[in-house]
Amino acid sequence: TQLLEQSPQFLSIQEGENLTVYCNSSSVFSSLQWYRQEPGEGPVLLVTVVTGGEVKKLKRLTFQFGDARKDSSLHITAAQPGDTGLYLCAGDMYSGGGADGLTFGKGTHLIIQP
Amino acid sequence: EAEVAQSPRYKITEKSQAVAFWCDPISGHATLYWYRQILGQGPELLVQFQDESVVDDSQLPKDRFSAERLKGVDSTLKIQPAELGDSAMYLCASSLVGTGMSDYGYTFGSGTRLTVV
Repeated sequence: TQLLEQSPQFLSIQEGENLTVYCNSSSVFSSLQWYRQEPGEGPVLLVTVVTGGEVKKLKRLTFQFGDARKDSSLHITAAQPGDTGLYLCAGDMYSGGGADGLTFGKGTHLIIQP
Repeated sequence: EAEVAQSPRYKITEKSQAVAFWCDPISGHATLYWYRQILGQGPELLVQFQDESVVDDSQLPKDRFSAERLKGVDSTLKIQPAELGDSAMYLCASSLVGTGMSDYGYTFGSGTRLTVV
């Protein structure tokens, strides 16, 4: 059972369109992070959301953490070819024990066509 | 900008052979992680170090995988013997603090792409 479900798994849209990808779980996370990964490279951190209901903006990207801290969304406005990549959400289930690595979803493969 | 260094970038090995990967985290980062990423999927945690101590290796296949961080700085992940199913990207990441202070996030290296033939 995948702890973090990302949808859609694949998305191909035209340049200039808007899109939203989702990250859902039945578990509560102390924080949730979004990463972007290009082929042959490691993931690069985009944002961390910590507070339920929190919204963070990074240029044309808007990230939201659900009120119950079980889900998150990433919205991209006016997508550009440079946004192409694998978008990964990752949850931190830190419980004070100190031995919790991030749990990653399977990712959303995004292709922005010129 | 500080980076997590990994080597080699690519490794092709025959099944039943031994293979090792090296990671040098960002200076001052106490926490180091090894992840395995199968093509098309998200990374899966193999082992977490806090300084030189293993704090989580519950997902590490210990019959063939081993990891060490002897001086609490760089780390080595070894597979012996390698199997066809081990083909994947092996990612190393480090963070300034352990979990619970996740605003800092993880910094990942570029990974080692392993192909077992």
